[in-house]
Formats: sequence, structure tokens, C-alpha cells
Amino acid sequence: GENVEQHPSTLSVQEGDSAVIKCTYSDSASNYFPWYKQELGKRPQLIIDIRSNVGEKKDQRIAVTLNKTAKHFSLHITETQPEDSAVYFCAAGVFFQKLVFGTGTRLLVSP
Amino acid sequence: SQTIHQWPATLVQPVGSPLSLECTVEGTSNPNLYWYRQAAGRGLQLLFYSVGIGQISSEVPQNLSASRPQDRQFILSSKKLLLSDSGFYLCAWIDPTNYEQYFGPGTRLTVT
Repeated sequence: GENVEQHPSTLSVQEGDSAVIKCTYSDSASNYFPWYKQELGKRPQLIIDIRSNVGEKKDQRIAVTLNKTAKHFSLHITETQPEDSAVYFCAAGVFFQKLVFGTGTRLLVSP
Repeated sequence: SQTIHQWPATLVQPVGSPLSLECTVEGTSNPNLYWYRQAAGRGLQLLFYSVGIGQISSEVPQNLSASRPQDRQFILSSKKLLLSDSGFYLCAWIDPTNYEQYFGPGTRLTVT
């Protein structure tokens, strides 16, 4: 089955800096790679996703990259703001089937 | 538009008591539904998923069970709660138009 590893487990940056979170997956059949942001005490919220037919996707300050050959994908946040502080989860899976989640990255953005 | 509901929002139960958590989805039909548990400060553990009425797949053997009595209803149950069952229980569904998975608001369960 699929196995997803996520690094780092914690990440501290200064406001305005960039943050990068990396994930690797094991199942070459996976074709869907979403990222979720979870604020304290709340549900995970989908912030961006990428499908296997593209290598990069961008939405304002957030971008994701996918390298299918190496089986890794990354989340890039530019110009970080204090409100970006949260736990971020990556996931991998096949459309309409179960997602396997990474263990999460706690991002702290200091003013 | 589609909406996912969970209740109760919070629950405090003694060890050995039964449990029933409910999840319903509006605005779609025959969705894939999922139950996750998140222990305090931890990741998302998939417990059960269902692709249709009466169809349940279990991911982790434990004292929990799930049922799907109606197309848009997913129930998580236990006959006797353990202390280790405490956590944040999240229901999720997949939007069939774009494959995206969305979580419900969750139920925070404390077993005392």
C-alpha cells in the first residue's frame, strides 16, 4: 500500500520568508496529491492539490511541485504571514480511493 | 452546494460506555465517505471508508465499527469505549466533480 513521509515535522520562519515542506510517496499508481492546512482545534482545510498530469501548480502565495519519477512533491509558501501558522498535511492517493496522509508539519511564522 | 455535518460537536463519555457519531452529507448522491481519528497533536488515522450503502471497509482493527444505513449518512459506533478512543473524529467525503476530499467540522471525544 501507499506510504507517505513528510518533512520537516516543525518549521519556524520569519514573516516574509519562504517555507518549503516536502513529501515522498511509495505507490507509483497514486495520481492525486492534496495539501491541507489545519488550524488549532479546527478541521483540515484543502488549500491546493496537484494531479499527476502536471508538474507544478500555483495559487497566489502557494505553489506545489510534483516529481513523479522521484516520487516526491512539495509545498512552497512565499512571503509568509503570521496567519500561515498552522499544521500542514500532505496526502497521496488514487482518484476516488482513500488518501494516505503524511504526519504533518507544524509551521510557525514569527512577526 | 454540498455540505457535510457531524454531531455531536463535543462529547464526554465514561470508559465502557457506548458511542454513536453521525455524519451526513447534503447536495450530492452516493458519495465516498470516510471516518478519520486524530489524537491530540497527531496525524490523521483512517478508520473506515464506504463507497455505498452497506459497504464498509475497515482500515484498523479496534473496538469501533461503522455503518452506512443511507446514501448520505455514515455512522461510527462503539459498544464499549476505551481511554485510547479519545480524539478528534472527522468525517470526510469526496466531491465527484473534482475528486477533492473535504472534511466535516469534527467531533471532539473525551473518554474519562
